[in-house]
Amino acid sequence: DTEVTQTPKHLVMGMTNKKSLKCEQHMGHRAMYWYKQKAKKPPELMFVYSYEKLSINESVPSRFSPECPNSSLLNLHLHALQPEDSALYLCASSRFGEYSNQPQHFGDGTRLSIL
Amino acid sequence: GENVEQHPSTLSVQEGDSAVIKCTYSDSASNYFPWYKQELGKRPQLIIDIRSNVGEKKDQRIAVTLNKTAKHFSLHITETQPEDSAVYFCAAGNTGNQFYFGTGTSLTVIP
Repeated sequence: DTEVTQTPKHLVMGMTNKKSLKCEQHMGHRAMYWYKQKAKKPPELMFVYSYEKLSINESVPSRFSPECPNSSLLNLHLHALQPEDSALYLCASSRFGEYSNQPQHFGDGTRLSIL
Repeated sequence: GENVEQHPSTLSVQEGDSAVIKCTYSDSASNYFPWYKQELGKRPQLIIDIRSNVGEKKDQRIAVTLNKTAKHFSLHITETQPEDSAVYFCAAGNTGNQFYFGTGTSLTVIP
């Protein structure tokens, strides 16, 4: 069983649609992450939230908009995506590491296809 | 920023043999080095990690070694089994809750 839950598992959307990806964890972790992973490539960091505040934004296009409504939830709002945005979107969480990174726990991901 | 290189990109071994995957990093401030296993269509799973104040760590058939001076760390899997077949990623990080991943190694264990 995964401790980080992502919904939906699969999403197909057109380039003009607006949709949201959701991530939830109840491990008390105060750092949450969004990654994008293309086939046969490593996960690419998109955003990091620390204590519900955006701490890292890896120059991601504005058509991706993260939101952290509380310490357990992380959303990724999608709008006007391009076909090259088709990928597996992974959410992860960890304890907050002030002096050193802490182990990240990944969700199963949302497989996103843009038509 | 940090740059993590991983070799080899593909590795095939006979069941029962050992597998070794190597990573190098560039930032001497990196102090945490996790290894992830990702099976096809599934999430990355942490299999072992090591911190910079430790030179070696072992968990059953899996071990990781770290050479801070040379800035490289390695994953060792002994007595490989077909279920070890997967893509393995190394990563490096320090503060700021940010990791840098290696490019991955696709391991195939031949029965």
